[in-house]
Amino acid sequence: KAGVTQTPRYLIKTRGQQVTLSCSPISGHRSVSWYQQTPGQGLQFLFEYFSETQRNKGNFPGRFSGRQFSNSRSEMNVSTLELGDSALYLCASRYRQVSTDTQYFGPGTRLTVL
Amino acid sequence: QQPVQSPQAVILREGEDAVINCSSSKALYSVHWYRQKHGEAPVFLMILLKGGEQKGHDKISASFNEKKQQSSLYLTASQLSYSGTYFCGTGNNAGNMLTFGGGTRLMVKP
Repeated sequence: KAGVTQTPRYLIKTRGQQVTLSCSPISGHRSVSWYQQTPGQGLQFLFEYFSETQRNKGNFPGRFSGRQFSNSRSEMNVSTLELGDSALYLCASRYRQVSTDTQYFGPGTRLTVL
Repeated sequence: QQPVQSPQAVILREGEDAVINCSSSKALYSVHWYRQKHGEAPVFLMILLKGGEQKGHDKISASFNEKKQQSSLYLTASQLSYSGTYFCGTGNNAGNMLTFGGGTRLMVKP
């Protein structure tokens, strides 16, 4: 089975712009979670989607949003980018939305905001 | 509430052992352990689903003490390939997302 894929792998944007990141989960997985990883903050949970519905949300401003499509692929969008949004954005998929299911991570998208 | 990992960093010589702890202030349904090498995605190591459970493969094992709301990861006879940052992720109810600890940076030297 193919793993979790994320596109693009690297992105450079300037302050004020917006960005859309994409994640394709492992085939058959219906839950997709997004995380922001920075050196000082570790893995911070952004949100989780299951069956096209946002089920959980972390403590991030409304500039961060996401959606999930019927094929379980997910996108996250960040509007009005700030310098502090520079980070590695990881998506992870699991078969069901239960904490006993293993979650598998994609390679991440490294976003740099100038 | 983010689980707390200790120590934050550890340096070992090849062949030495290490223990990484993960504690939560909330009741746990599951504990997930991952290792992340620099510039790469976290890689799943193992999952523990019930109190008293112990798992292991190769020379890496883990235990889950449900009453104490904590888990420990044991690395024995460490190898250079064990270097990386170890994260624990905890699920504190059946449908909840995983919350990750701050990570433990492990460096194994020759």
